[in-house]
Amino acid sequence: SQTIHQWPATLVQPVGSPLSLECTVEGTSNPNLYWYRQAAGRGLQLLFYSVGIGQISSEVPQNLSASRPQDRQFILSSKKLLLSDSGFYLCAWTLERDYGYTFGSGTRLTVV
Amino acid sequence: GDSVTQMEGPVTLSEEACLTINCTYTATGYPSLFWYVQYPGEGLQLLLKATKADDKGSNKGFEATYRKETTSFHLEKGSVQVSDSAVYFCALLSGGYQKVTFGTGTKLQVIP
Repeated sequence: SQTIHQWPATLVQPVGSPLSLECTVEGTSNPNLYWYRQAAGRGLQLLFYSVGIGQISSEVPQNLSASRPQDRQFILSSKKLLLSDSGFYLCAWTLERDYGYTFGSGTRLTVV
Repeated sequence: GDSVTQMEGPVTLSEEACLTINCTYTATGYPSLFWYVQYPGEGLQLLLKATKADDKGSNKGFEATYRKETTSFHLEKGSVQVSDSAVYFCALLSGGYQKVTFGTGTKLQVIP
């Protein structure tokens, strides 16, 4: 069966520090991968998506970046965190239209 | 662009009460529609979906009907339980790369 792993579950980082969040999918090949952010009291904002290795599309310009070094691995990074980067980060995957997303359990990031 | 509008929360209901969470959408073409549920501290789970007009999605006692004429996809349940307390997100998929647009979420609290 397909599973998605996301870590860490929680993270507290100082302003200006780097960030690396990792997401891996098991049990499927060539999934579409997505990073979403959920700010406190707000909906989900699509940050990045990827339809294949090395292919990254950015939805919102910001100080975050994403990479897909392997078929089932999706990484969200930042060189210098801002206070406004705090939020709940969710990774998701899907195979095809109408399949629906499968979400990871999320990473709660607090920038202090 | 595509958008989803949900009724504002929080919604507080007594156990066994009827639930309706309104959702309307704006999209080009023929989107697929979804409801996701997020329990406290967790990622999102797909609750139900409908891929064409007049389809009814159902799961765990929840139902929603794809109404093209009113561009709506309201979530309903006849008798809610305390365990249904969560945040519910309406979402649509339209266009390529399976990018999903989410509503802002509606928090439901069910009290005994």
